[in-house]
Amino acid sequence: QVQLQESGPGLVKPSETLSLTCSVSGDSISTDQWSWIRQAPGKGLEWIAYVSSSVVSRYNPSLRDRLTISMDTSRNQFSLNLKFVTPADTAVYYCAKTGGGGGLFWCDPWGQGLLVTVSS
Amino acid sequence: QSVLTQPPSESAAPGQTVAISCSGSRTSIGNNYAAWYQKLPGTAPKLLIYENYKRPSGIPDRFSGSKSGTSATLAITGLQTGDEADYYCATWDSSVSAYVFGPGTKVTVL
Repeated sequence: QVQLQESGPGLVKPSETLSLTCSVSGDSISTDQWSWIRQAPGKGLEWIAYVSSSVVSRYNPSLRDRLTISMDTSRNQFSLNLKFVTPADTAVYYCAKTGGGGGLFWCDPWGQGLLVTVSS
Repeated sequence: QSVLTQPPSESAAPGQTVAISCSGSRTSIGNNYAAWYQKLPGTAPKLLIYENYKRPSGIPDRFSGSKSGTSATLAITGLQTGDEADYYCATWDSSVSAYVFGPGTKVTVL
């Protein structure tokens, strides 16, 4: 079955760039869509973006100006870069396989999540 | 502030039924499909319902989803202590071209 694993630093300094990678096994990232989602401490879920090799990537408008999402099909990984982070970007970051199209959208399965803290 | 509205909490006794509402708008639930996720503390969210009412493989039929107009509902029947969790609705919002989650509903089994 499909499995996803997030990796990256657990601590990032304010104003720097948060870089995370999601490694996928059991499926080819070339054939589907893939999302990043986060959950700040004590808060709800927030969708960040999705990426696909066949359709236009979409970004959360509130994060768009600081975001870059990319895919490395040779490594079967996709990545997130979030610039100019602040403590408000502290969250557990999840990657997930994304299904659907148009107005039909769901995330399943998810990676286990990675806590990223923004602090000096 | 979420574009989807959920009650902060719901509770019921074991074996009973709890229904969680999710209210949106024409551009969110009204013209798109709802999904529901279960979030247990310290674990990744799990998809319970997609396309308003469909269950992924392995999700028991105690969990059911429905949609009417601009609202969606998740019903959990035969409530079990293991169902204590946060439940989130989600949908695509065409007005902002983004996937949006509701604020979440904490379900307590009395």
